[in-house]
Amino acid sequence: QKEVEQNSGPLSVPEGAIASLNCTYSDRGSQSFFWYRQYSGKSPELIMFIYSNGDKEDGRFTAQLNKASQYVSLLIRDSQPSDSATYLCAVDTGRRALTFGSGTRLQVQP
Amino acid sequence: DTAVSQTPKYLVTQMGNDKSIKCEQNLGHDTMYWYKQDSKKFLKIMFSYNNKELIINETVPNRFSPKSPDKAHLNLHINSLELGDSAVYFCASSQNYPYEQYFGPGTRLTVT
Repeated sequence: QKEVEQNSGPLSVPEGAIASLNCTYSDRGSQSFFWYRQYSGKSPELIMFIYSNGDKEDGRFTAQLNKASQYVSLLIRDSQPSDSATYLCAVDTGRRALTFGSGTRLQVQP
Repeated sequence: DTAVSQTPKYLVTQMGNDKSIKCEQNLGHDTMYWYKQDSKKFLKIMFSYNNKELIINETVPNRFSPKSPDKAHLNLHINSLELGDSAVYFCASSQNYPYEQYFGPGTRLTVT
């Protein structure tokens, strides 16, 4: 069973701090990794994806991938209350589909 | 312009009824999906179609039947609805590798 695991949270950080969200996956053959944000009552929206070991930055967001450790993380710098949402980690299944983790709820305190 | 649209947004119905959800994407993507998100917010794939061909058919009761009339449309028909079918159903689409998916707004199905 291919799995993606995330801590459900909530992860609470003060406004302006760095939020660090983590994800581990079980399938060593996975090639692509995605972070989605989902506000309550809304659909998941893609933040970014990564497929090479190392860091990938996009604005305040940095995705980090370590394939040897089967670990993906998302850093959010200068966290804002508007970043409060559930963050979903997803991994490609090799069948043109994604397996999602259950999400980490992030709360940014003003 | 709405990229991935679904109708209806809300669906309340009684057990035993049959209902359909429609999905359309105007992104020109080749692959479309149905996902189910349960009350614990776990998002799980049900079906995927690539250019009208069924690619993925997960362990889903055969009361659920997807239909793709063309690559821009993917519908989901559910027969004999049960209480456990209550969930939010998301349609999504993607282009080729790495298959990042874009989601529709969701259809909240409530079976009473």
